[in-house]
Amino acid sequence: AQTVTQSQPEMSVQEAETVTLSCTYDTSENNYYLFWYKQPPSRQMILVIRQEAYKQQNATENRFSVNFQKAAKSFSLKISDSQLGDTAMYFCAFMKQGAGNNNDMRFGAGTRLTVKP
Amino acid sequence: EAQVTQNPRYLITVTGKKLTVTCSQNMNHEYMSWYRQDPGLGLRQIYYSMNVEVTDKGDVPEGYKVSRKEKRNFPLILESPSPNQTSLYFCASSRTGGYGYTFGSGTRLTVV
Repeated sequence: AQTVTQSQPEMSVQEAETVTLSCTYDTSENNYYLFWYKQPPSRQMILVIRQEAYKQQNATENRFSVNFQKAAKSFSLKISDSQLGDTAMYFCAFMKQGAGNNNDMRFGAGTRLTVKP
Repeated sequence: EAQVTQNPRYLITVTGKKLTVTCSQNMNHEYMSWYRQDPGLGLRQIYYSMNVEVTDKGDVPEGYKVSRKEKRNFPLILESPSPNQTSLYFCASSRTGGYGYTFGSGTRLTVV
């Protein structure tokens, strides 16, 4: 079974600075998808960024980018120019590719990020 | 607006009293899932559905039931809730192709 590990339960960063959240995963699959979700205090789960494992290019979405290292099974999220609205719990998630899977996303335990003014 | 709607947002109930959490999506997605979120454990899948009348267990199905009679609806039923089912529950839907789930706004359930 796939497992996702987020080793940083809590992090903080000053407004306008850059922060990197770590995520590692364990799988024997070659084709899969990786995601970062943001959960602000409103508790809504918001998709931040998505990476397809067969693509070597790292995904980016505005101030959010990932460092995807397939061999190392690492998928970190970098937030540039941090804003107060980035304060949230961040979840890393893994999904297998292919027919027959239960479309299950495996989530890490989350990293609580606080952006300080 | 494309969304997943789940109700209620908060629910306090007593042990053993049957309850249903409703979930509906307007995106014509094939897949729907229920997850529960607990501190330190992230989100874990309870049940999922690949299409109408097709449902199966996820990682933590004990004590829960689901049904998928229509493509848009996927209710979660707790026949006899117990305190260990106190949690934050999310309904989610997705289309095929690994695009990830769109989540509802969550239901905070407390069983006393």
